[in-house]
Amino acid sequence: AQSVSQHNHHVILSEAASLELGCNYSYGGTVNLFWYVQYPGQHLQLLLKYFSGDPLVKGIKGFEAEFIKSKFSFNLRKPSVQWSDTAEYFCAVNAAWRDDKIIFGKGTRLHILP
Amino acid sequence: NAGVTQTPKFQVLKTGQSMTLQCAQDMNHEYMSWYRQDPGMGLRLIHYSVGAGITDQGEVPNGYNVSRSTTEDFPLRLLSAAPSQTSVYFCASSRDRGSYGYTFGSGTRLTVV
Repeated sequence: AQSVSQHNHHVILSEAASLELGCNYSYGGTVNLFWYVQYPGQHLQLLLKYFSGDPLVKGIKGFEAEFIKSKFSFNLRKPSVQWSDTAEYFCAVNAAWRDDKIIFGKGTRLHILP
Repeated sequence: NAGVTQTPKFQVLKTGQSMTLQCAQDMNHEYMSWYRQDPGMGLRLIHYSVGAGITDQGEVPNGYNVSRSTTEDFPLRLLSAAPSQTSVYFCASSRDRGSYGYTFGSGTRLTVV
């Protein structure tokens, strides 16, 4: 069964700093990968997704993620964060063409200092 | 277009009571799922469905029942509520297999006392 590991549980950055949140998955086959964001008091929203093609995926609000198959990783990046990026971020994986479940990591809580 | 609608938004139950969390989507999505969110645990899959009449268990199915009699509705039943089921519950739907990602409802905050 697939699983997802997010290395950082809580990240604190100042505005304009660069961001990278780590995500590793365990599954030997083809995968679909996702990053979701949950702003305080709200439900999850899809930031970006990868299911084939260019391993560098661009999402909303200036976020991007790179799929590195050899490392089983799908790290989220943003060159310059804003206070409004304060939220919890979840990485998720789906075993493509085999399973219909999406399994989530435990999340990374990001706090941006103004 | 309402998307995924969950009711109620808040609920307090006594241990041993039963209740049904409602989830409805108006996007004609085949795939629907229920997750629970607990601090430090992320989202854990309870049950999911790939179409009307078809359901399957996720990571933490014990204590919960689901059915999918129509494409639009996917209710989650708590058979005999326990304090360990205190959580925020999210329903989600997807147009196709997981590759498209899920659209989430706004959640139900359940407290079992």
